[in-house]
Amino acid sequence: DTGVSQNPRHKITKRGQNVTFRCDPISEHNRLYWYRQTLGQGPEFLTYFQNEAQLEKSRLLSDRFSAERPKGSFSTLEIQRTEQGDSAMYLCASSSGGGHTEAFFGQGTRLTVV
Amino acid sequence: AQSVTQLDSHVSVSEGTPVLLRCNYSSSYSPSLFWYVQHPNKGLQLLLKYTSAATLVKGINGFEAEFKKSETSFHLTKPSAHMSDAAEYFCVAAFSGGYQKVTFGTGTKLQVIP
Repeated sequence: DTGVSQNPRHKITKRGQNVTFRCDPISEHNRLYWYRQTLGQGPEFLTYFQNEAQLEKSRLLSDRFSAERPKGSFSTLEIQRTEQGDSAMYLCASSSGGGHTEAFFGQGTRLTVV
Repeated sequence: AQSVTQLDSHVSVSEGTPVLLRCNYSSSYSPSLFWYVQHPNKGLQLLLKYTSAATLVKGINGFEAEFKKSETSFHLTKPSAHMSDAAEYFCVAAFSGGYQKVTFGTGTKLQVIP
């Protein structure tokens, strides 16, 4: 499968615990995006990488959130001290460089904080 | 500021009748524009994309969209709705200028009545 892969698909955690999600983009894509989608809402932009550089972070990305893309390939999104409000679907997408391109999305990681 | 606006949060049509989902964008540049569909509990799937070639773009499942620069619009249409079209539809723009950021509209939920 050469699409965008996200792991795990589902995560249930207790409030206050830390969680980490992984995204493996399409191999030749140098741009990687994280989004959060809550029930009944559209995806909201969280952060964007070009290669290993994190070029933009949304105000939604509080200090408890951190994202990395250490070698410009896979990326991780960590949430520390999870809160119930963090329950959402976390989507990863990737696209190739240059001009007009499309973003390919993974199926997401659904986080439930209990 | 660059933005994407989907004018209708819900659209309801009868099976066999035309579908129109509206999308407008705001940008100093002409963006790349996309329509994605999201069926319940499934990932985002690309329907079609506009990348400054033909202004009328044909996508999968009989959908098409027309880019109108004068109106800054990219409305999605289909001549005849099927029950399987019931889903949420997102208009998405990739804005250039330094780097390319993917921005979602708020989504339109399409209901198809038998």
